[in-house]
Amino acid sequence: DTGVSQDPRHKITKRGQNVTFRCDPISEHNRLYWYRQTLGQGPEFLTYFQNEAQLEKSRLLSDRFSAERPKGSFSTLEIQRTEQGDSAMYLCASSYRTGRDEQFFGPGTRLTVL
Amino acid sequence: QQPVQSPQAVILREGEDAVINCSSSKALYSVHWYRQKHGEAPVFLMILLKGGEQKGHEKISASFNEKKQQSSLYLTASQLSYSGTYFCGTEMFGNEKLTFGTGTRLTIIP
Repeated sequence: DTGVSQDPRHKITKRGQNVTFRCDPISEHNRLYWYRQTLGQGPEFLTYFQNEAQLEKSRLLSDRFSAERPKGSFSTLEIQRTEQGDSAMYLCASSYRTGRDEQFFGPGTRLTVL
Repeated sequence: QQPVQSPQAVILREGEDAVINCSSSKALYSVHWYRQKHGEAPVFLMILLKGGEQKGHEKISASFNEKKQQSSLYLTASQLSYSGTYFCGTEMFGNEKLTFGTGTRLTIIP
């Protein structure tokens, strides 16, 4: 399977704990995006990378969120000091080169903060 | 600025047609359409670029009115597999991120 993969698929954590999610994009894709989706809403942009460079981060994102893509391949999204409001589906997507290429989404990581 | 989609929900019988609309208050460079089934990831349908270029599935048709900053997705002779929530994602000039709308839930009944 050469699609976008995400790990873990589900994460339950207690408020205040740190969590880290991993995304493996399609191998030849240079662009990688992170989104957050809550029930009944469309995906909400968090950040994106062109190779290893983080080009934009949503202004809605607090300093508790950080993402990196160290070698331009896989990416990690870390949430520090989780809050109940962080509960959501975290989606990763990749595209070939630019924002004008179709994005291929991974299955997502569902985060539940108790 | 989040694009506005209409209708919010629609129920069709198999074989009927539907139009889903997406409007933005900002000048757009491109509009992307995705379909998401319950519990699954969004799947790409179509990209419409300023200037008329389109990329997408042959069985899906869409339009992009650059003057009105509106896009419409046309679903003809609907099949049960068309059920799901349709999202438009809009890209503004100079900003290559997508802003997704709140979605249109489409239900196809036999």
